[in-house]
Amino acid sequence: GQQLNQSPQSMFIQEGEDVSMNCTSSSIFNTWLWYKQDPGEGPVLLIALYKAGELTSNGRLTAQFGITRKDSFLNISASIPSDVGIYFCAGRENNAGNMLTFGGGTRLMVKP
Amino acid sequence: GAVVSQHPSWVICKSGTSVKIECRSLDFQATTMFWYRQFPKQSLMLMATSNEGSKATYEQGVEKDKFLINHASLTLSTLTVTSAHPEDSSFYICSASLQGGQPQHFGDGTRLSIL
Repeated sequence: GQQLNQSPQSMFIQEGEDVSMNCTSSSIFNTWLWYKQDPGEGPVLLIALYKAGELTSNGRLTAQFGITRKDSFLNISASIPSDVGIYFCAGRENNAGNMLTFGGGTRLMVKP
Repeated sequence: GAVVSQHPSWVICKSGTSVKIECRSLDFQATTMFWYRQFPKQSLMLMATSNEGSKATYEQGVEKDKFLINHASLTLSTLTVTSAHPEDSSFYICSASLQGGQPQHFGDGTRLSIL
């Protein structure tokens, strides 16, 4: 199925550094979601965004719903080793019910 | 809240066996559940949307006779991989949402290995 363009595909950073990743789409979304997946587990919801321009934080995580409704970013400040994992963005289109379109994921690796 | 339980977490079986995976919403009722398949280092691929009390909606390319879905109650959906073969080996994940517009919450996934 359709995928969002998520970048970067992977990041290898030093502990304590800030991280930024984003997703773009050719379609307009009414919801943007950010999930984290650890190896061998299902994705866990980090942040949900429902309005264009919305900026929401969850601890060291901050995500924004782009004004154009075609993009979103996720920032992680002061990364720690347990931030390691795969981060997925997901968007919901207006007429898609509860169906989500997923980005390809960003694999984050943190060096202690 | 919004806990989704998936069982079993890992299955290893012989080729030709049928395997049933359960997805339960533990603390909420889900009229819609979703089944995904994930290959290593790839994103989630939607297989089908499971609707309580009606037939599932399958994505293009997913064989409905191969992947049987039953959503008999508001808290349980099952995926049965019939006559599984090695190429069916994958990580299967279900999700459910509280109501329209709410985020999907995922189960912990089932790793299926067919020998």
